[in-house]
Amino acid sequence: QSVLTQPPSASGTPGQRVTISCSGRTSNIESNYVYWYQQFPGTAPKLLIHRDNLRPAGVPDRFSGSKSATSASLAISGLRSDDEADYYCAAWDDSLSAYVFGTGTKVTVL
Amino acid sequence: QVQLQESGPGQVKPSETLSLTCAVSGYSIGSGNFWAWVRQPPGKGLEWIGNIYHTGSTYYNPSLKSRVTISVDTSKNQFSLKLTSVIAADTAVYYCARQRRRGDVDNTPGYFDYWGQGTLITVSS
Repeated sequence: QSVLTQPPSASGTPGQRVTISCSGRTSNIESNYVYWYQQFPGTAPKLLIHRDNLRPAGVPDRFSGSKSATSASLAISGLRSDDEADYYCAAWDDSLSAYVFGTGTKVTVL
Repeated sequence: QVQLQESGPGQVKPSETLSLTCAVSGYSIGSGNFWAWVRQPPGKGLEWIGNIYHTGSTYYNPSLKSRVTISVDTSKNQFSLKLTSVIAADTAVYYCARQRRRGDVDNTPGYFDYWGQGTLITVSS
């Protein structure tokens, strides 16, 4: 059972901005870095955001991360059809001494 | 280029032990970092199983801790997962991955940067 809560779905039309929330606790999001992963069907997840808001090399600046207290968000601006995927937040949890994933959000481009 | 490749039986009977190995190429396990297992039941989300540091110290998901063992063999540059007393709910795609430390002087596990392709393990009699 995930300790990080995300909306099951989000959608937008091409060019729009979509935001995905990730709700956690002091022991995870507030106290540790948040990471975001993108996953296409049948493939391994790919890192999109690390250290709350940093993009690895090669990740477009259309993807941005933010965090405030026990919540984090991933924003996708200039939505494209190839952004259709599942998105997961993740963080270390100090209370559990474990890495926790969010419940996942499926992004649909209308 | 770092590459990871899972290998395992494909199907395991209920109550038996699931054993998987992850062969790493392009990087020496003994050089550092955590080596992790993540699973994903069909149509569901990601679940972190646990990891092992190159020194052999481990972290496990509390919900699986009583059934999980992760070990490392630096001579073969591979690491392994054993999950005992499997049930149908353990049916999933199992991924191995390299998990970076959070920082140069911070040994807390951070993000995953390299993943295997995943292997589907079905628990069924």
